[in-house]
Amino acid sequence: DTAVSQTPKYLVTQMGNDKSIKCEQNLGHDTMYWYKQDSKKFLKIMFSYNNKELIINETVPNRFSPKSPDKAHLNLHINSLELGDSAVYFCASSQGFPPPKSYNEQFFGPGTRLTVL
Amino acid sequence: QKEVEQDPGPLSVPEGAIVSLNCTYSNSAFQYFMWYRQYSRKGPELLMYTYSSGNKEDGRFTAQVDKSSKYISLFIRDSQPSDSATYLCAMSVSSNTGKLIFGQGTTLQVKP
Repeated sequence: DTAVSQTPKYLVTQMGNDKSIKCEQNLGHDTMYWYKQDSKKFLKIMFSYNNKELIINETVPNRFSPKSPDKAHLNLHINSLELGDSAVYFCASSQGFPPPKSYNEQFFGPGTRLTVL
Repeated sequence: QKEVEQDPGPLSVPEGAIVSLNCTYSNSAFQYFMWYRQYSRKGPELLMYTYSSGNKEDGRFTAQVDKSSKYISLFIRDSQPSDSATYLCAMSVSSNTGKLIFGQGTTLQVKP
């Protein structure tokens, strides 16, 4: 199946731990994203990579570090987890730089539900 | 104040009703306007996008953008129980960066 996949689907951990979430897309896209969706369903972009180069870096604590080993993968590492990090994290991908007045759809993964205790 | 405001609902309607979902925004530089649908415990999926002002229709769905009022709408005709989901509006200044600013989402329930 062509899709955006994330692992793990659920992650329950203690405060202070370090964890990683992995994302892979087989759509042939060159741009990948990380979003955070809070308990009120507010979805906010965190990072974006185009061809392994960081192009969007929103105001996110530096405990969050994205890593893109290649165009098809974008991982998210989180250090020293805090209660407020509990959320659903979505990975997405798209084909960057569409023609003017066009929009290239961002395809979202199924999400990783992170719970920090 | 958030850049994009959307009433979270929930909105409950009977099957067959016409549904109107709306967002307002403050950044006049937004040019690309999207509606995403998110089923429970799933990722968002794109329903429609519109560039600049105007209307766009796709089956039972119609998107409208009024840039002068900074107001966008999504209409669903003949709503079905399968339309029950959260609808997120999203906007972007440029299509190149891919930076989308989302509304909070409106939860819709269509009752049989």
